[in-house]
Amino acid sequence: EIVMTQSPATLSVSPGERATLSCRASQSVISNLAWYQQKPGQAPRRLIYGASTRATGIPARFSGSGSGTEFSLTISSLQSEDFAVYYCQQYNKWPRTFGQGTKVEIK
Amino acid sequence: QVQLVESGGGLVKPGGSLRLSCEASGFTFNDFYMSWIRQAPGKGLEWVAYISFYGTTIDYAGSVMGRFTISRDNAKNSLYLQMNSLRAEDTAVYYCANERGGWLDSWGQGTLVTVSS
Repeated sequence: EIVMTQSPATLSVSPGERATLSCRASQSVISNLAWYQQKPGQAPRRLIYGASTRATGIPARFSGSGSGTEFSLTISSLQSEDFAVYYCQQYNKWPRTFGQGTKVEIK
Repeated sequence: QVQLVESGGGLVKPGGSLRLSCEASGFTFNDFYMSWIRQAPGKGLEWVAYISFYGTTIDYAGSVMGRFTISRDNAKNSLYLQMNSLRAEDTAVYYCANERGGWLDSWGQGTLVTVSS
């Protein structure tokens, strides 16, 4: 199966600052990559699909980039509601696999 | 709006069975693949199984193959997960979600399954 590795495990950022999260695939997933946000006690929420397309209703401060094996999610100016855990997920091959998550916490 | 509501979770002994249900509303159910995803306490996400529009294509994670069965009833806008031979490591919150081309669009709130003696 394709292993997804996210880094860093935890990212400490001040509100208003930029955050960049990384996701690496063990083999090419082309652009078949999605990002999700999960807050404590809540279900995940989709943010990005196709590596760089924002899902409906997602603010423009969230952007995704990359292809092949290297991907990133950037939050341009962190708002209080953005502190959460973020997961990447490949859907190029079954089984679909998730990264282990990056927790974005308040610095 | 889209709503997915899971039910059927609970406490079960190792080796036991449970059937999870997911009732969908707010979208055309048979226009979407559907999936079950789980999250063990304090851990990350694991895709468990998915099923195509009319159930002709199904696949499972290796960890549940042969023990879990995914199914759907489009007339009832419902998704199911029959879980047999449950193990302690199956303890998790189980989410259902609709799938768009491989990524998960809308998620339910989850139902907790605890496998313990």
